[in-house]
Amino acid sequence: QSALTQPASVSGSLGQSITISCTGTSSNVGSYNLVSWYQHHRGKAPKLMIYEDNKRPSGISNRFSGSKSGNTASLTISGLQGEDEADYYCCSYAGSLTWVFGGGTKLTVL
Amino acid sequence: QLQLQESGPGLLKPSETLSLTCTVSGDSIGTSGHWWGWIRQPPGKGLEWIASIFYTGSMYYSPSLKSRVIISADRSRNQFSLRLNSVTVADTAVYYCVSQRVGPRGADAFDTWGQGTMVTVSS
Repeated sequence: QSALTQPASVSGSLGQSITISCTGTSSNVGSYNLVSWYQHHRGKAPKLMIYEDNKRPSGISNRFSGSKSGNTASLTISGLQGEDEADYYCCSYAGSLTWVFGGGTKLTVL
Repeated sequence: QLQLQESGPGLLKPSETLSLTCTVSGDSIGTSGHWWGWIRQPPGKGLEWIASIFYTGSMYYSPSLKSRVIISADRSRNQFSLRLNSVTVADTAVYYCVSQRVGPRGADAFDTWGQGTMVTVSS
């Protein structure tokens, strides 16, 4: 069982927006501004989409945004495109130099 | 451009030791630009962080794997490695080597990933 809780699946239509939640505790998500999000297309290397809760690496579309409230972080994807269909994972620093992941969310673009 | 490539055996028997190597190109592991680490994904399951190492030699481990894992670095070859002893079927997974960006608190997000290597533990 993963330390961070994500919905198993979400879906949205082309052009719409979706939000994926990531719920942790006051020992991880709620204590540090170190939540990151990863996009994973099966058979490929995962890709960093958001770091430090809400920052986008260079080259990542501004359709992807991150936010956090208390112990829950969220990834929002606006203007859904077919290429966004993938698995998404959240990750948080958990103190004592350790990192924890969520179980992953499968995004289906209808 | 930073690139990472894992190498190692694809099949092990229970109780054996898994040894994986990550070859880094596009950056030197002997500088302060990144931490370096390993993450795995068992079939049908989520990601699990295993260990990370910095150029100073500082290393840290997942508490659940700490007793069986060693991460090390070879600056001369620009490689870092993972050893996991006493493997069981539960260690079957895709193993990724990763770079970890250096942020305001030190180690930060995992910004570059290798393609991953499948490791199967079976008798």
